[in-house]
Amino acid sequence: QTVVTQEPSLTVSPGGTVTLTCAFSTGAVTSGHYPNWFQQKPGQTPRALIYSTNNKHSWTPARFSGSLLGGKAALTLSDVQPEDEAEYYCLLFYAGAHWEFGGGTKLTVL
Amino acid sequence: EVQLVESGGGLVQPGGSLRLSCAASGFTFSRYSMNWARQAPGKGLEWLSFITGSSSTIYYADSVKGRFTISRDNAKNSLFLQMNSLRVEDTAVYYCAREGFNYESDYWGPGTLVTVSS
Repeated sequence: QTVVTQEPSLTVSPGGTVTLTCAFSTGAVTSGHYPNWFQQKPGQTPRALIYSTNNKHSWTPARFSGSLLGGKAALTLSDVQPEDEAEYYCLLFYAGAHWEFGGGTKLTVL
Repeated sequence: EVQLVESGGGLVQPGGSLRLSCAASGFTFSRYSMNWARQAPGKGLEWLSFITGSSSTIYYADSVKGRFTISRDNAKNSLFLQMNSLRVEDTAVYYCAREGFNYESDYWGPGTLVTVSS
């Protein structure tokens, strides 16, 4: 069974920097997995942030960036704001026919 | 403005069927692939199914393959998910999402709640 793993929870101080990662059970995450990242706040629909590893949507704040780091997909938040507190999900494409979400990272800004 | 609105959710008994719809507007629907995803109460997101603009390519997650069928009507700017043999564990909010030209999932609908219970 294919599993996509994220940190269950992370805490960051306002103004700080934090990196969330997304690992793939079958091996390294590559650009060919077209990593997407989403933000979801309680009671809200997921909002797309990043696609194809490091591309931002027109609405994505500049402080969000995507990359590949040590065989994982990564989402880095710089100058973290209180409104960035949310659940973050990665999404990977694999086997030419499937997408798989990670379990999500609950980010606390404290 | 791109808009996606799901409908068709509700309460259904185990073993029953339900057909979800997703009405699209604000873009040329036929040019875009679409996806269905779901989120069980208090749980994470789960991808379910993908369909290209022409319906020529369709994918399913193993958890729903053989029970769910994705389809679309480009003339009516609508996406569908036929769900059969529903189980209690299919209880979730179901979302439709547009997929752009660079493997990006960009716009999502607000979701529709499906409750499978006796």
